[in-house]
Amino acid sequence: KQEVTQIPAALSVPEGENLVLNCSFTDSAIYNLQWFRQDPGKGLTSLLLIQSSQREQTSGRLNASLDKSSGRSTLYIAASQPGDSATYLCAVTTQGGSEKLVFGKGTKLTVNP
Amino acid sequence: DAGITQSPRHKVTETGTPVTLRCHQTENHRYMYWYRQDPGHGLRLIHYSYGVKDTDKGEVSDGYSVSRSKTEDFLLTLESATSSQTSVYFCAISEHRGVVREQYFGPGTRLTVT
Repeated sequence: KQEVTQIPAALSVPEGENLVLNCSFTDSAIYNLQWFRQDPGKGLTSLLLIQSSQREQTSGRLNASLDKSSGRSTLYIAASQPGDSATYLCAVTTQGGSEKLVFGKGTKLTVNP
Repeated sequence: DAGITQSPRHKVTETGTPVTLRCHQTENHRYMYWYRQDPGHGLRLIHYSYGVKDTDKGEVSDGYSVSRSKTEDFLLTLESATSSQTSVYFCAISEHRGVVREQYFGPGTRLTVT
């Protein structure tokens, strides 16, 4: 059974700092990996999707990497801002076709002004 | 926001009553999903659909049923609600991005079973 773990569970940083969020998965036979952001009381916003054949994806200040063989992904946030404060969720697709996602429990990020 | 709406957005119900949550999408997506989110468990898949009248179970399907009679609507029913089904329920669709499909989520329904 695929399990996804995110470390740390919570992170507090000062504004302007570069930071890395970690995600690991137990079964390397994934189809793709998706990073989401969730604000309190809100739904999920898709940030980046990495196909299993890719090593990284970038969007603005965000960069996600994937090392499928070791079962790891990282989300790098450059020059963090208070508006980046949210919970970040990692999810992997375990089966092509139905695209069922298995989620980690998230990392709650607080960026202090 | 991929044109996904959920109704109701909030509901309080009593143990033993039936409850139906609705997910509506406007962009003719084939795949739709229901997840629940609970503290300490994260998001878990309840059921999903890969077309009209085509559905399958997810990780936590016990106590839930679904129906999809139209492309745009995916209904989640709790036949007899229990307190353990108090949760936030999210609907999602998957949309083609090249050779893969990316999932997009609705705003959620907060359900409280008393």
